[in-house]
Amino acid sequence: SAVISQKPSRDICQRGTSLTIQCQVDSQVTMMFWYRQQPGQSLTLIATANQGSEATYESGFVIDKFPISRPNLTFSTLTVSNMSPEDSSIYLCSVDGQTGDQLNTEAFFGQGTRLTVV
Amino acid sequence: RKEVEQDPGPFNVPEGATVAFNCTYSNSASQSFFWYRQDCRKEPKLLMSVYSSGNEDGRFTAQLNRASQYISLLIRDSKLSDSATYLCAVDNQAGTALIFGKGTTLSVSS
Repeated sequence: SAVISQKPSRDICQRGTSLTIQCQVDSQVTMMFWYRQQPGQSLTLIATANQGSEATYESGFVIDKFPISRPNLTFSTLTVSNMSPEDSSIYLCSVDGQTGDQLNTEAFFGQGTRLTVV
Repeated sequence: RKEVEQDPGPFNVPEGATVAFNCTYSNSASQSFFWYRQDCRKEPKLLMSVYSSGNEDGRFTAQLNRASQYISLLIRDSKLSDSATYLCAVDNQAGTALIFGKGTTLSVSS
């Protein structure tokens, strides 16, 4: 499985500011994803980060609030913009376990970024 | 109906017990099914994939019932170290990403 490095691991931010989270993978991967896990909840898919094109957002998530970059096959960033306390959550980068084949595509996760907005 | 549903528990069992978790999914076209384990304040880690024929890995057995659209995880001879939250995951409509259940919390006590 790929080794996924995510940073920062945690941060405390003032409301109204923005935070960019970085995700670095030690090998080229086809699919990269960003999830959010709010306290006591499961993982919610924010978007699929597409290399060379705009990210694909899930219902309830928009590019203005969560801009995503994917400049190459090993790196992606997620920005949480104009933060409010409701954005306090764990944000997780994820990659698929295979190259190309969508079937049986298990996901592997970075360590997560624990964000607290005050 | 939610895409992926699990009984949140918690399941409190003694060491050595057998415990089973179920997870239902709404997309009949789903092809990929997994169980993940998440320890407190850690990221989810893949426990096992779930195959149509069912599969076993030591004390863990996973099964898929396509007709009823659920997957199950059976843990035999529970250990203290099995205490964690178990998440089921199913591929989304496009088959490009995983949708997770809320997780089932297991607490094994001595």
